[in-house]
Amino acid sequence: EAQVTQNPRYLITVTGKKLTVTCSQNMNHEYMSWYRQDPGLGLRQIYYSMNVEVTDKGDVPEGYKVSRKEKRNFPLILESPSPNQTSLYFCASRILDNEQFFGPGTRLTVL
Amino acid sequence: AQKVTQAQTEISVVEKEDVTLDCVYETRDTTYYLFWYKQPPSGELVFLIRRNSFDEQNEISGRYSWNFQKSTSSFNFTITASQVVDSAVYFCALSEAETGGFKTIFGAGTRLFVKA
Repeated sequence: EAQVTQNPRYLITVTGKKLTVTCSQNMNHEYMSWYRQDPGLGLRQIYYSMNVEVTDKGDVPEGYKVSRKEKRNFPLILESPSPNQTSLYFCASRILDNEQFFGPGTRLTVL
Repeated sequence: AQKVTQAQTEISVVEKEDVTLDCVYETRDTTYYLFWYKQPPSGELVFLIRRNSFDEQNEISGRYSWNFQKSTSSFNFTITASQVVDSAVYFCALSEAETGGFKTIFGAGTRLFVKA
């Protein structure tokens, strides 16, 4: 089954404790992206990747890092999480300019 | 700069009513792509439609229809004879070819309540 998976689905952590949210897709898509969803703001793009080892900033990259060492994986790293990063995070993948396939989301709470 | 505006924060209708969700966009690019996604209460994001800037034909898919008008920079979504299962948050989104289509801007979303 074609899908995008994210782990963990839920995470509660404390300020400053490094964490990684994994994202994996099995559709051989070149393009992957991370978004955060906050009430009243819709989805905002954090980082995107056009292919292996090629990444670029979206609209809200501060406080986040990404890497793309393999085509299927695109982890999101929060090296020192802060409470304002409490949000619902979505990973997505697609081919070219077609529609995005989204993962199920990761709900992160930073205390 | 890109911008997507969904001015309707919440809409409440009674089942079988028709409802239109508005989407207005801003872009300087001549080639761009517009999308609608649905987020039901379960939380996943479901693709509904993609339209490129050169295709102004309206589209109908069952009870769903989309009206794309470049002259007013709008890409509105109409649900005919709404059903309770249509209750969800609906997002309009824009990608520009200038950025390779990689940067995507979403509107804030419209939450639709359909009451039985």
